[in-house]
Amino acid sequence: QKEVEQNSGPLSVPEGAIASLNCTYSDRGSQSFFWYRQYSGKSPELIMFIYSNGDKEDGRFTAQLNKASQYVSLLIRDSQPSDSATYLCAVNKGAQKLVFGQGTRLTINP
Amino acid sequence: KAGVTQTPRYLIKTRGQQVTLSCSPISGHRSVSWYQQTPGQGLQFLFEYFSETQRNKGNFPGRFSGRQFSNSRSEMNVSTLELGDSALYLCASSGPGFNEQYFGPGTRLTVT
Repeated sequence: QKEVEQNSGPLSVPEGAIASLNCTYSDRGSQSFFWYRQYSGKSPELIMFIYSNGDKEDGRFTAQLNKASQYVSLLIRDSQPSDSATYLCAVNKGAQKLVFGQGTRLTINP
Repeated sequence: KAGVTQTPRYLIKTRGQQVTLSCSPISGHRSVSWYQQTPGQGLQFLFEYFSETQRNKGNFPGRFSGRQFSNSRSEMNVSTLELGDSALYLCASSGPGFNEQYFGPGTRLTVT
């Protein structure tokens, strides 16, 4: 079992709709979780982080964490074509070691 | 604040050679982590340095090494390059007391 799992997609969402990205992790002791966006040919860009159970909102983005079920999700409201990218879920394993999922490729269709 | 910078951005090397990549963290950040990204394996952790000390290391052979200087700048070295070392090498920095890591633009290494 991989430490961090994501559906690789591609996930196709119409413009203006909500995109929902999911991630599960295996280590129940994990404490901090991150979502990165990576455009083709570019480096990952941090868009959200969450440490506590529940929801955390930042603009059009909402991160959701459920430690009991060991999943973390990212919702993108009012999706725009510029949101088309690969979204990487990462879990901090201590001393700044991030373990990444394989990423979900998201396409927003105009 | 300026972001994380990495040099060089692109590199072509031959099998058996060695290579040194450089990373300058965001001003004030003392932790520097290195990652390798390939299409097959995704993003994998190489090692992390804080105050010139390696605190954590991933599952890579000893050909991969790194160091950090007193100004927090970091270098990683790969010796005896193999074709499979072709990848995007990313460094990320984080500030004191924070877990969030910010990535540099990466160095694209091609081994022929």
